[in-house]
Amino acid sequence: NAGVTQTPKFQVLKTGQSMTLQCAQDMNHNSMYWYRQDPGMGLRLIYYSASEGTTDKGEVPNGYNVSRLNKREFSLRLESAAPSQTSVYFCASSELDGTYGYTFGSGTRLTVV
Amino acid sequence: KQEVTQIPAALSVPEGENLVLNCSFTDSAIYNLQWFRQDPGKGLTSLLLIQSSQREQTSGRLNASLDKSSGRSTLYIAASQPGDSATYLCAADTGGFKTIFGAGTRLFVKA
Repeated sequence: NAGVTQTPKFQVLKTGQSMTLQCAQDMNHNSMYWYRQDPGMGLRLIYYSASEGTTDKGEVPNGYNVSRLNKREFSLRLESAAPSQTSVYFCASSELDGTYGYTFGSGTRLTVV
Repeated sequence: KQEVTQIPAALSVPEGENLVLNCSFTDSAIYNLQWFRQDPGKGLTSLLLIQSSQREQTSGRLNASLDKSSGRSTLYIAASQPGDSATYLCAADTGGFKTIFGAGTRLFVKA
């Protein structure tokens, strides 16, 4: 089925540990995004990649790094996890810059203890 | 700075009722307004996308309207069903790969 696939779906980390969230899309979209969703707040953009080979900071980039591995894949890395990074993380993709809307993955629920 | 607000945060209605969800944004310079549905523990599913040049979009029992001059969008759900229970989010595309999301309205339709 066409769409955005995220792994893992759930993860528990200890403070200071590192991990990489994986995202892949099979819709041949140019742009990909990482958002975080916290209770009572709208989704906030962490990083985005307008096209293969480019990445840019969003609203809340501190503590994260990203890699646009190829057109299909966009990963998010937490180098040293902190409890403030406990959140639900969503990957999304769009054909262009969002003009035609977004397609979202099912999310990764991350808890940092 | 664009801000998107959804009121109320939660809504409970009896089955069969027609209802309106509200979304307001502070900067009228948007490219489009998108409505999403989010089920508990799931991702976002796109419902309707209204381009800035459009006034409304319809899909089945759903109708979304956009009034840029007043900074408002509404999502109308006709003849609500228990299966409509979910959180509904709106998102305003401000261009430059920046889309601002509201916090959502959690809808519960009672059978």
